[in-house]
Amino acid sequence: AQTVTQSQPEMSVQEAETVTLSCTYDTSESDYYLFWYKQPPSRQMILVIRQEAYKQQNATENRFSVNFQKAAKSFSLKISDSQLGDAAMYFCAYRWESGNQFYFGTGTSLTVIP
Amino acid sequence: DAMVIQNPRYQVTQFGKPVTLSCSQTLNHNVMYWYQQKSSQAPKLLFHYYDKDFNNEADTPDNFQSRRPNTSFCFLDIRSPGLGDTAMYLCATSRQGDRLNTEAFFGQGTRLTVV
Repeated sequence: AQTVTQSQPEMSVQEAETVTLSCTYDTSESDYYLFWYKQPPSRQMILVIRQEAYKQQNATENRFSVNFQKAAKSFSLKISDSQLGDAAMYFCAYRWESGNQFYFGTGTSLTVIP
Repeated sequence: DAMVIQNPRYQVTQFGKPVTLSCSQTLNHNVMYWYQQKSSQAPKLLFHYYDKDFNNEADTPDNFQSRRPNTSFCFLDIRSPGLGDTAMYLCATSRQGDRLNTEAFFGQGTRLTVV
């Protein structure tokens, strides 16, 4: 069974600083995809960044980057130059390459302090 | 450009009174999902359709049903809502078989309150 674990229920960061959100997962598959989603309060869940397991290079999207450690089954999200608009719930998610289901972690609530 | 549209955004229903939530998509994705998300919790997958094939999660209560009459639309039917069914219901879509576009796209959700 696939499980996704986010061990930080809440995190806070000063505006313009850097914060890292942790995620680990458990799978016996070799081909899969990992995602970070952002869900602002009462708003739509949107994709922040994704990583293909077959790629060794860590994904980067502007201020967002990941540290993907396949052997350790770890997938952390780094947010640089944090902005007030980054405040949201962040969910780590997993999808097996040949499957359809997305499995989500329990989320990390990020507060950005002005 | 709304791509996954859920209606209504807010729904209040009485205990035991059937309710239907709807979802439509303009992405032509072959997979559609229904998730239940309770306050401050992770989205929980209820079921999904891959084209016309229905896939129910093992722990989804029988009270929850779904229909997908065509590629664009999917419905969630709750036959006899209980107070514990109060939650946000999220519809999502994805494209199976496309290694360049692997993510799920979500609608804005329907917040259901059972009274």
